[in-house]
Amino acid sequence: QVQLVESGGDLVKPGGSLRLSCAASGFTFSDYYMSWIRQAPGKGLEWVSYITGSGGNVYYADSVKGRFTVSRDNAKNSLYLQMNSLRAEDTAVYYCARVRNGPDYWGQGTLVTVSS
Amino acid sequence: DVVMTQSPLSLPVTLGQPASISCRSSQSLVNSDGNTYLSWFQQRPGQSPRRLIYKVSNRDSGVPDRFSGSGSGTDFTLKISRVEAEDVGVYYCMQGSHWPPITFGQGTRLEIK
Repeated sequence: QVQLVESGGDLVKPGGSLRLSCAASGFTFSDYYMSWIRQAPGKGLEWVSYITGSGGNVYYADSVKGRFTVSRDNAKNSLYLQMNSLRAEDTAVYYCARVRNGPDYWGQGTLVTVSS
Repeated sequence: DVVMTQSPLSLPVTLGQPASISCRSSQSLVNSDGNTYLSWFQQRPGQSPRRLIYKVSNRDSGVPDRFSGSGSGTDFTLKISRVEAEDVGVYYCMQGSHWPPITFGQGTRLEIK
């Protein structure tokens, strides 16, 4: 069965950096686009990024462009999100999701808190 | 960017009664490939989102058949034929026809009356 397990969330100061990971299993990882989607506390869902199966193309929301970098290691069935220059408004639960006609399977999420 | 607008934002429903959520997009969601990439998600309290419907009306595996999706162009609807206690949560529509960015509706909170 498809499993996505995020990790790496933490409390970080404004301007700091953090790297999130997502371990995938139960499907052929390299065949799928993957996505990061976030949810601020008590708020709705916000798409953050897509990456193609090969990792050759990446896409970002304007709110994170230039600060966040998505990548993947298909040999390790893993997805990553490098987050730099973090701001208070980046505080959220970050979900990784497999993409097939849109995000179909989601992980349980990892909490990133940006606060001094 | 395509703006997705859901209504109502709060939906109290009696157990066993039907429920309907509307989602409107700021432009037609027909993609250049002819498909309409409109999905519905359910987020139960304390859980991750779960996709219910993709491409307007296709139910995901394991989704009860009391959930159905319909619509076209800019107007879409999620219907629950008979609400059960486990349906409590927040429902989101999402468009993937014109991206980036992917965009979500604000969410509709379904509660039991």
